[in-house]
Amino acid sequence: AQSVTQLGSHVSVSEGALVLLRCNYSSSVPPYLFWYVQYPNQGLQLLLKYTSAATLVKGINGFEAEFKKSETSFHLTKPSAHMSDAAEYFCAVRATNAGKSTFGDGTTLTVKP
Amino acid sequence: DARVTQTPRHKVTEMGQEVTMRCQPILGHNTVFWYRQTMMQGLELLAYFRNRAPLDDSGMPKDRFSAEMPDATLATLKIQPSEPRDSAVYFCASGSVTSRDGEQYFGPGTRLTVT
Repeated sequence: AQSVTQLGSHVSVSEGALVLLRCNYSSSVPPYLFWYVQYPNQGLQLLLKYTSAATLVKGINGFEAEFKKSETSFHLTKPSAHMSDAAEYFCAVRATNAGKSTFGDGTTLTVKP
Repeated sequence: DARVTQTPRHKVTEMGQEVTMRCQPILGHNTVFWYRQTMMQGLELLAYFRNRAPLDDSGMPKDRFSAEMPDATLATLKIQPSEPRDSAVYFCASGSVTSRDGEQYFGPGTRLTVT
């Protein structure tokens, strides 16, 4: 079984501030973990993924996430928010023996000027 | 630049009408997913296929929804008859089971409005 919880459906930051989007997962076997971003009126696109290699994963647009097994977390961070980062972000988990991913409910990121 | 394509991008129809949405997965991908996204329910997995065979359609209302893959380059999602509660954005995604991680590539979606 696999599940994912995104803490906070809405996060608001000022431009230039740290972005932190939280994701906790549950998986009965080692997981693959993903962050996707969805801009208005578009489909989801992959930001980054953890596939059991390095625990700190770097993605596109300056985002990174750290896999912490002891905390069952995969939080997404970016040191300095840009207005163009405003979007909805989805965390997803796929157990290594599963055929499909389970997505979180999404977190809407607002960036204030 | 390989991408998933979906048609139509927008569809407005009256209640009771049949709706067919189409998806062309990325060439070489052998897994296709159908999702529905609404404000109230978020992103829901309706069904997915591997090598054109349905593996899981437990998320799909069986009485009115059907999903098929007539060939490796086409996946369809059909609603008959449509109802206003079916109004949503429907996404198709594809991936490769040979990929260790199972990354999915999403299409732009079909925005369905049933009046």
